[in-house]
Amino acid sequence: GNSVTQMEGPVTLSEEAFLTINCTYTATGYPSLFWYVQYPGEGLQLLLKATKADDKGSNKGFEATYRKETTSFHLEKGSVQVSDSAVYFCALRLGTGGFKTIFGAGTRLFVKA
Amino acid sequence: GAGVSQSPSNKVTEKGKDVELRCDPISGHTALYWYRQRLGQGLEFLIYFQGNSAPDKSGLPSDRFSAERTGESVSTLTIQRTQQEDSAVYLCASSSPDREVHEQYFGPGTRLTVT
Repeated sequence: GNSVTQMEGPVTLSEEAFLTINCTYTATGYPSLFWYVQYPGEGLQLLLKATKADDKGSNKGFEATYRKETTSFHLEKGSVQVSDSAVYFCALRLGTGGFKTIFGAGTRLFVKA
Repeated sequence: GAGVSQSPSNKVTEKGKDVELRCDPISGHTALYWYRQRLGQGLEFLIYFQGNSAPDKSGLPSDRFSAERTGESVSTLTIQRTQQEDSAVYLCASSSPDREVHEQYFGPGTRLTVT
């Protein structure tokens, strides 16, 4: 079946540290891949996306590259800030047959000053 | 409005009661989704509406759960005979078919507590 697996949290980092949150997927066909972020007390919002293999999504200093050969979409940021503390969700949307989006369990990030 | 709105924002109900949750999508968005997010867990897909097509109900956990949508506007999620395990945040999202990748815009959620 179709699924998304992301690293368990919480992840705790000091400010300016390098961040990687791993995400791998299983899907039939050619999905689009997303990272959503949920800041404390707020709703989910799209952080970045990639629609085909080797695409790189980027936003707010975050990046993720669609790797078909490893079925991965790892989220990275070179230097995190306290304001990046949030829950990050990896998700896939199937390319055909509808618009159902499957989300990972989420990874909570804490950034300390 | 500018975004997806949901009401109520919080609902406390007694076990066995019925509850109705409301979602107002962004105007013009033909697709509407309901998800459940239990404390500390990820999003669980419940149901998806797309225009006038038959909804995808594959995520509804039991026959106590149902949802309706009138045209391309408001949707209601109804939970009958609530149980304590129904306690969660219920999220609604909408998306437009005009955008290439159908980005979902989420509402703030309804926090349901069953006592």
